[in-house]
Amino acid sequence: DIQMTQSPPVLSASVGDRVTLSCKASQNINKNLDWYQQKHGEAPKLLIYYTNNLQTGIPSRFSGSGSGTDYTLTISSLQPEDVATYYCYQYNSGWTFGGGTKLELK
Amino acid sequence: QVQMKETGPGLVQTTQTLSVTCTVSGFSLTSYGVHWVRQAPGKGLEWMGIIWGDGSTNYNSALKSRLSISRDTSKSQVFLTMNSLQTDDTAVYYCAEMDTMGYWGQGVMVTVSS
Repeated sequence: DIQMTQSPPVLSASVGDRVTLSCKASQNINKNLDWYQQKHGEAPKLLIYYTNNLQTGIPSRFSGSGSGTDYTLTISSLQPEDVATYYCYQYNSGWTFGGGTKLELK
Repeated sequence: QVQMKETGPGLVQTTQTLSVTCTVSGFSLTSYGVHWVRQAPGKGLEWMGIIWGDGSTNYNSALKSRLSISRDTSKSQVFLTMNSLQTDDTAVYYCAEMDTMGYWGQGVMVTVSS
């Protein structure tokens, strides 16, 4: 089974900061990776699909990149409403979520 | 308008069987797969399984011996059944269309208690 490791587990940042979240797969997942945002008490919401495609309705400050085993979610200018836990999810071989990165305001 | 809604028992006894229903609208179960994902309190997301548009299924290897996913296309419903429940099966259970549209249900909390 493919393992997905997200880092850091917790990230504190200030409004306006550029924020980078990382996700590493235990083997090549061929860009078959999505990013989800989950706010407290809510269902996850799809942000990015197939590594770098912005889901409809998602603000353009969110972007994704990566290849092979290493992937990144970037928020170009952090907003208060971005406080949430972010999960990567691979579907190249089986289906696996990362452990999540909790994003907090400093 | 796509909607997905989970319904379940709320409380289940240990060693018993869990049944959760996902009722969908706005799309056909014969055209899209439906995933099940769960989240234990304070924990991350765990992929459980999928029933594809053709009715075939795939399961998380850690749950495969206890888990079954089925459907009734005439009622637009997908069913999750899991037996031999333990307290660590306490979680919010979500159904989701994750392959094309990115829609999730609101989730249903299931508590397993002795």
